[in-house]
Amino acid sequence: ETGVTQTPRHLVMGMTNKKSLKCEQHLGHNAMYWYKQSAKKPLELMFVYNFKEQTENNSVPSRFSPECPNSSHLFLHLHTLQPEDSALYLCASSPRAGDEQFFGPGTRLTVL
Amino acid sequence: DAKTTQPTSMDCAEGRAANLPCNHSTISGNEYVYWYRQIHSQGPQYIIHGLKNNETNEMASLIITEDRKSSTLILPHATLRDTAVYYCIAPGSGGYQKVTFGTGTKLQVIP
Repeated sequence: ETGVTQTPRHLVMGMTNKKSLKCEQHLGHNAMYWYKQSAKKPLELMFVYNFKEQTENNSVPSRFSPECPNSSHLFLHLHTLQPEDSALYLCASSPRAGDEQFFGPGTRLTVL
Repeated sequence: DAKTTQPTSMDCAEGRAANLPCNHSTISGNEYVYWYRQIHSQGPQYIIHGLKNNETNEMASLIITEDRKSSTLILPHATLRDTAVYYCIAPGSGGYQKVTFGTGTKLQVIP
């Protein structure tokens, strides 16, 4: 596979569930990002990892927990979410933080 | 990161050039300007970026004014598949950068 992949593509979960979103990049990049895009709103940057170190946490609630075990993989662990967390979650990577970003197709999350 | 301002929407006839403006009057001397686009419900797609000189690639051309306070993305021959929201951003400089996507310009290519 090439580029940035995200799994699952669609996820429906209850407010008490725990789930994880996965992102994988095959581009040899060193920076990875999580974004949230709610309906009819701009993309919101959530987290940035540069060389596996978290360099940005954009005031994200603790019910979202990122994990970056290596420069190719990024996870977003979800627990006790609220219905307003329903959105498209996008992962991106770039050679280094701030360089041009390449996005995955996103995970469409619905919280019931 | 510098604030950018773009028109909310634009129309362009198919086959004509689409010129999308962006103001970034607070940009600093070493901040790049990046352009992305997002087709409905897909992840954004990187288009082009530049610092001072005009840039061209297989997708588009980027014209940056001499004072760097504004730029224009040019799609030379717009097609229906170019209908998307186009974002102009200036991520900033320093030890790390972050990207702030605004509302962008909704480009509608009309047959």
